[in-house]
Amino acid sequence: AQKVTQAQTEISVVEKEDVTLDCVYETRDTTYYLFWYKQPPSGELVFLIRRNSFDEQNEISGRYSWNFQKSTSSFNFTITASQVVDSAVYFCALSDHAGNMLTFGGGTRLMVKP
Amino acid sequence: SQTIHQWPATLVQPVGSPLSLECTVEGTSNPNLYWYRQAAGRGLQLLFYSVGIGQISSEVPQNLSASRPQDRQFILSSKKLLLSDSGFYLCAWSVLGGYEQYFGPGTRLTVT
Repeated sequence: AQKVTQAQTEISVVEKEDVTLDCVYETRDTTYYLFWYKQPPSGELVFLIRRNSFDEQNEISGRYSWNFQKSTSSFNFTITASQVVDSAVYFCALSDHAGNMLTFGGGTRLMVKP
Repeated sequence: SQTIHQWPATLVQPVGSPLSLECTVEGTSNPNLYWYRQAAGRGLQLLFYSVGIGQISSEVPQNLSASRPQDRQFILSSKKLLLSDSGFYLCAWSVLGGYEQYFGPGTRLTVT
């Protein structure tokens, strides 16, 4: 069975601070995919990134960066120089090799204060 | 480009009443379609998914059912709502054989 754990339920930072959201996963598959989604107050989930299990390169997109480490089964998400617009609930998710089923973590609520 | 629609956006229904939520996708063919429920504003629970017309897989036994009468239409139904059916219902699609799912705006259901 697959499992995703986001141990941080809520994080509060002041604008311009860096913040890292943790994600730990469990799977028996050798091929799998990891995702991050953002859920702003409007409710719609916004896809941020997908990572394949065979590609451990870290990725950077603007102020966002992701650190994938198979050795620790972690896929952490860092926001650099946070902004108020980053306030949202962030979900980490895992799918199997077929890619049809997503298992979501419980989410981390990020509050960025001005 | 692809677009996913859900309606209604909000719904207040009494216990015991029927339910029908609709989801449609534009700009793609043969999508995988999904229904999720998010209770108490937190984690998402997969309810149903479909890989084709008339093909529905249920992940959680419950008071709900799903149907896919057309390629890009996915409907979530109930004959008699329970209080525990309250929540935020999200529809999602993915490319056939693809991986990331794209979500609709959601329907907030309150059962009173």
